[in-house]
Amino acid sequence: AQSVTQLDSHVSVSEGTPVLLRCNYSSSYSPSLFWYVQHPNKGLQLLLKYTSAATLVKGINGFEAEFKKSETSFHLTKPSAHMSDAAEYFCVVSEPGTASKLTFGTGTRLQVTL
Amino acid sequence: DSGVTQTPKHLITATGQRVTLRCSPRSGDLSVYWYQQSLDQGLQFLIQYYNGEERAKGNILERFSAQQFPDLHSELNLSSLELGDSALYFCASSVVQGGTDTQYFGPGTRLTVL
Repeated sequence: AQSVTQLDSHVSVSEGTPVLLRCNYSSSYSPSLFWYVQHPNKGLQLLLKYTSAATLVKGINGFEAEFKKSETSFHLTKPSAHMSDAAEYFCVVSEPGTASKLTFGTGTRLQVTL
Repeated sequence: DSGVTQTPKHLITATGQRVTLRCSPRSGDLSVYWYQQSLDQGLQFLIQYYNGEERAKGNILERFSAQQFPDLHSELNLSSLELGDSALYFCASSVVQGGTDTQYFGPGTRLTVL
């Protein structure tokens, strides 16, 4: 069975400083991994995805994530946080042959302070 | 804007009642997925339809059912509602990209059961 663990339920950074949101996954197969963002009272927006091509994946709004198979990790980073980045971030795994069922992590709430 | 639409945005009803949530997928997408987001359970996959046929089932209660119509829109029916069914219900649709199914989410329907 597949699963993801988001290691921090809440992360607080100052505007202009780097962001690191941590995610570990467990999968029996070569997974597809995603990061989605949910702004307050909004739907889920795809930030980026890993699909076994390049291990460093660039997404929207300056975010990127690196797939590390040896560490079973897929951490999300951004060099410089902006106030508009404050939101809930979900790490998501999908295995082939499961009709693309997504398994979500519990989410990390990112707070950005002045 | 993901291109996935959901109606209504908000729904308030009483215990024991029945409601229908509607989802229109992105143009060209054949798959529709339903998810439930609640405070205690997080984001959970409920069910998937592909081109009118049920493809996968997740943690969907027997009181809940869904269908996908020939025009590809989908409806999620919730009956004998309980207080615990209060949640945000998301619909997603997918297009195959590079061999990986990427799901795009609608804005959600917030259901409140009183």
